[in-house]
Amino acid sequence: DIQMTQSPSSLSASLGDRVTITCRASQGISNYLAWYQQKPGKVPKLLIYAASTLQPGVPSRFSGSRSGTDFTLTISSLQPEDVATYYCQKYNDAPSITFGQGTRLEIK
Amino acid sequence: EVQLLESGGGLVQPGGSLRLSCKASGFTFNDYAMNWVRQSPGKGLEWVSGITGNGGSTHYADSVMGRFTISRDNSKDTLYLQMNSLRVEDTAIYYCAKGPGLLLRFCWLDPWGQGTLVIVSS
Repeated sequence: DIQMTQSPSSLSASLGDRVTITCRASQGISNYLAWYQQKPGKVPKLLIYAASTLQPGVPSRFSGSRSGTDFTLTISSLQPEDVATYYCQKYNDAPSITFGQGTRLEIK
Repeated sequence: EVQLLESGGGLVQPGGSLRLSCKASGFTFNDYAMNWVRQSPGKGLEWVSGITGNGGSTHYADSVMGRFTISRDNSKDTLYLQMNSLRVEDTAIYYCAKGPGLLLRFCWLDPWGQGTLVIVSS
């Protein structure tokens, strides 16, 4: 099975900071990766799919990229409303779906 | 507006059964695969099961295989999850989530319902 390793597990950053979260696949998954945001007490929300395609309505400060088996979610300028837990999800080996362990993002 | 509304959660004893429902609106239900994802208290997300748009193909996580059954009634725009032989470790919020197309291939999830809480405890 392909494993997804998400890092860091938690992160504290200042408002306006550039924040990066990484998901590493144990094998190649092409671009079959999505990112979700789950605010405290809320439902997960799709941010990005196909590694770098921004879901309509998602602020442009969010972006996704891929380098080999490493995937990165970047927030260009951290805002207060970005406090959340972020999950990656691979979907290359349908039909099963695997999520990363999550990254809790807080404001310093 | 696409909406998904789960129901059917509650408190059940170990070994018991429960059926969850997810009522969909705002899109042509039978054109899209649907999934169930759960989240144990304070934990991460775990995919549980998926079903194609026509209901012809279903798939399960190893952790629920043989105990849970996913189904759908396209005439009622409703997704179901029949949960049998429930275990304490099945305690979680259960979300239904829509796939991007008819099949389960290449399936990201959007949107998600608000979730229904299942507690398995004696």
